[in-house]
Amino acid sequence: AQKITQTQPGMFVQEKEAVTLDCTYDTSDQSYGLFWYKQPSSGEMIFLIYQGSYDEQNATEGRYSLNFQKARKSANLVISASQLGDSAMYFCAMSPGGYNNDMRFGAGTRLTVKP
Amino acid sequence: DSGVTQTPKHLITATGQRVTLRCSPRSGDLSVYWYQQSLDQGLQFLIQYYNGEERAKGNILERFSAQQFPDLHSELNLSSLELGDSALYFCASSAREAFNEQFFGPGTRLTVL
Repeated sequence: AQKITQTQPGMFVQEKEAVTLDCTYDTSDQSYGLFWYKQPSSGEMIFLIYQGSYDEQNATEGRYSLNFQKARKSANLVISASQLGDSAMYFCAMSPGGYNNDMRFGAGTRLTVKP
Repeated sequence: DSGVTQTPKHLITATGQRVTLRCSPRSGDLSVYWYQQSLDQGLQFLIQYYNGEERAKGNILERFSAQQFPDLHSELNLSSLELGDSALYFCASSAREAFNEQFFGPGTRLTVL
């Protein structure tokens, strides 16, 4: 079954420190896409970062990087130099076969950045 | 701002009623996706349209329907509403159908009383 697992319901991090949000996935497809989205308390879903299954290098977007370990089927999000504005829900998602119309989302991790 | 617009932002209605949610994708995006986010079910894919044609269906109830118009905006119609339909409904768009990110609109929060 195609499934996304985020095992950390809540995480705390001190401002300016780095934090890793865990995500594991289950798919039998060789080709797939992995995504992270941020949902602040205002409700919108903000795209953060994308990794294709055939990408050899880990994706990076500013302070966000995706630690992709294909053999372990994990796609952890690393946020460096945390800011107060990073406090939000974070969702990991996968598109099995690469197709967006079958996107599966994890349950999310609520990150709180402490001043 | 993702470039995807959704109206209305909030909608309060009664059981048994019908509502229409509207979405305009980012300029140039041909694919539109609808999602439902509820506390108990999480974020679930409902339906996708590509350039006016239905492309895929997810966990969409028969009481729900959608369409994409020639100008690429999309509408999600919810009928015979039940209390359990109360949720945040997102529209998203993407430039391609695969291997690229979807950009989400701000959502429509539907409350069924």
